[in-house]
Parts: sequence; C-alpha cells; structure tokens
Amino acid sequence: DSGVTQTPKHLITATGQRVTLRCSPRSGDLSVYWYQQSLDQGLQFLIQYYNGEERAKGNILERFSAQQFPDLHSELNLSSLELGDSALYFCASSNRQGGGETQYFGPGTRLLVL
Amino acid sequence: GEDVEQSLFLSVREGDSSVINCTYTDSSSTYLYWYKQEPGAGLQLLTYIFSNMDMKQDQRLTVLLNKKDKHLSLRIADTQTGDSAIYFCADYNTDKLIFGTGTRLQVFP
Repeated sequence: DSGVTQTPKHLITATGQRVTLRCSPRSGDLSVYWYQQSLDQGLQFLIQYYNGEERAKGNILERFSAQQFPDLHSELNLSSLELGDSALYFCASSNRQGGGETQYFGPGTRLLVL
Repeated sequence: GEDVEQSLFLSVREGDSSVINCTYTDSSSTYLYWYKQEPGAGLQLLTYIFSNMDMKQDQRLTVLLNKKDKHLSLRIADTQTGDSAIYFCADYNTDKLIFGTGTRLQVFP
C-alpha cells in the first residue's frame, strides 16, 4: 500500500459526459501528479500540482483540468468524454517540488467511456 | 522529446535470473526508476538509481546504469512466479516521469 488513495476505482460513463477523479496523496506529500495509461499511448504524464499550484503540464487535453485543494487532495476533471479517453488514470504523490524525487502511485481509476 | 524504450516481453524459468533492459535519450537525466505493475493493480516503486551511480543492489534486485550508452538494466535474481508482472523503466525529467512501454515478464515453472 503506497498511501495514495484514489476514488472511484472504476467508472463507466457515456460519450459527452463529464467525470471527476479524486486523489488523496500520502500524508505529508505536497506534490500530486496525474498520469494516463492507455493501450495505445502507454503511460503519459498529464499534470503536476505542488502545494495547490500547477507546477508542470504534460500531454493534457484542453477538455481535461485539474486542481489541488488546501487539504492537498486533488481532482482531475474530464469533460466532453470521448471513447478514446477510456484508460487507467493514476495519481502519484511525492514530498518534493522537483529536482529528483520518488513518486508513489495510487491504485488508479479505470475509466470506461461507452 | 525525451524517449524511453524497453523490449516488450521476457520469459524466464523459475529460479533463473531475469534481466530487463531499458534505453533512454535524456542526456540530463538525474534519476531513473523501476516500477512494477501486476495485473489490475497500480504501479509499485521497486528501486531507483541516481545518475552518478553505476550500480545499486537491493536484495534480489540489481540495477546497472551505463550513462555513456544511456542504458539501464534491472536484474532479478532467483526469479519467482510472483515476479510475473509488467516492469516499467522511467526517467525523471523536469518534474515528470517519462515511462517506457513496459516489459512483460513471464515466469514459468
């Protein structure tokens, strides 16, 4: 158990819908990262937050957004969902802002868009 | 952009050593990681190596880093059926991890 929790574990929705994925980092970790794992794209970094502020951005679509709250939990919002958004979404946390760090991953949220 | 590559499959007999290889392109890499993913599960951090090291050993795991060739390997000694999983190599690059495609390790009796 990494100490990172994600809810829900599974999510099934329809195209065009909007969903919110939630992540609670390990106690004391200020950084939260979101990754997408799909069959065709592999594991890709989406976005990072550090202590409530966006720190780095990767291959995140404009239809997706994220935020980190004062209690350090984070939410990833996916809107106007398409079939291709079906994937496993991971959250990871670490206790450093950058410069080399160890990221601990949650169990993931499996999203299926029908 | 930076890239990390791995072979897709590896099959070994139980009790033998497994060697999973990874190449990367990032010349300014600081940390390199190995993660394990079991079916239906998340990513478990196995070990990592700092770029100024050549080798790191952690129980049955040995990481070798050839910085000149940008080659990283993970050796698992006395491989067990419980080691069957997908192993990801990852390069830490400017606040994010860049993952390889993953190597599926299958251990047969």
